[in-house]
Amino acid sequence: QKEVEQNSGPLSVPEGAIASLNCTYSDRGSQSFFWYRQYSGKSPELIMSIYSNGDKEDGRFTAQLNKASQYVSLLIRDSQPSDSATYLCAVIFSGGYNKLIFGAGTRLAVHP
Amino acid sequence: DTAVSQTPKYLVTQMGNDKSIKCEQNLGHDTMYWYKQDSKKFLKIMFSYNNKELIINETVPNRFSPKSPDKAHLNLHINSLELGDSAVYFCASSQAGFSNQPQHFGDGTRLSIL
Repeated sequence: QKEVEQNSGPLSVPEGAIASLNCTYSDRGSQSFFWYRQYSGKSPELIMSIYSNGDKEDGRFTAQLNKASQYVSLLIRDSQPSDSATYLCAVIFSGGYNKLIFGAGTRLAVHP
Repeated sequence: DTAVSQTPKYLVTQMGNDKSIKCEQNLGHDTMYWYKQDSKKFLKIMFSYNNKELIINETVPNRFSPKSPDKAHLNLHINSLELGDSAVYFCASSQAGFSNQPQHFGDGTRLSIL
């Protein structure tokens, strides 16, 4: 069974703090990993993609990948109330066809 | 310009009816997808077409039939709607299906079965 696991939250952080979102996946052969943000009632919006071990930074967002531990995370620095949303971890499992497997999402609440 | 557009945004209908959802992308992508997001917000792939060819067909009741007239369009027809079909259906697209490129989503169609 191909799985992507996330803590459903809610994760509550104060404004200005670092929010840390975590994700584990079951397929050791996976090569492509994505973080999507979904506001309530809206569609998933791509925030980050990461393909290699290590860190990838884009503005206030940093994605971290550790393929040996089958672990991917998203750090949000200087969290803002507008970051409050559900964050979906998604993995393309080995076997081709670009099939995205989503985690259930972590709900983030940033309070002023 | 909307990259991936779906119509209608809302669909309210009765059990047993047949309905269609349309999707169009103007990103020049080769691959399109249908996802279902249920009441628990879990997002799960249903179908994928690469350049009009079906490449992913998950365990979905055969009441659901996708059709891709060209690589920019992917429609979803649902026969004999059931209460459990109530969900948000998202269309998405990406570059060629084997390229591991990210997928971009439409705004969703909220289907409610009475």
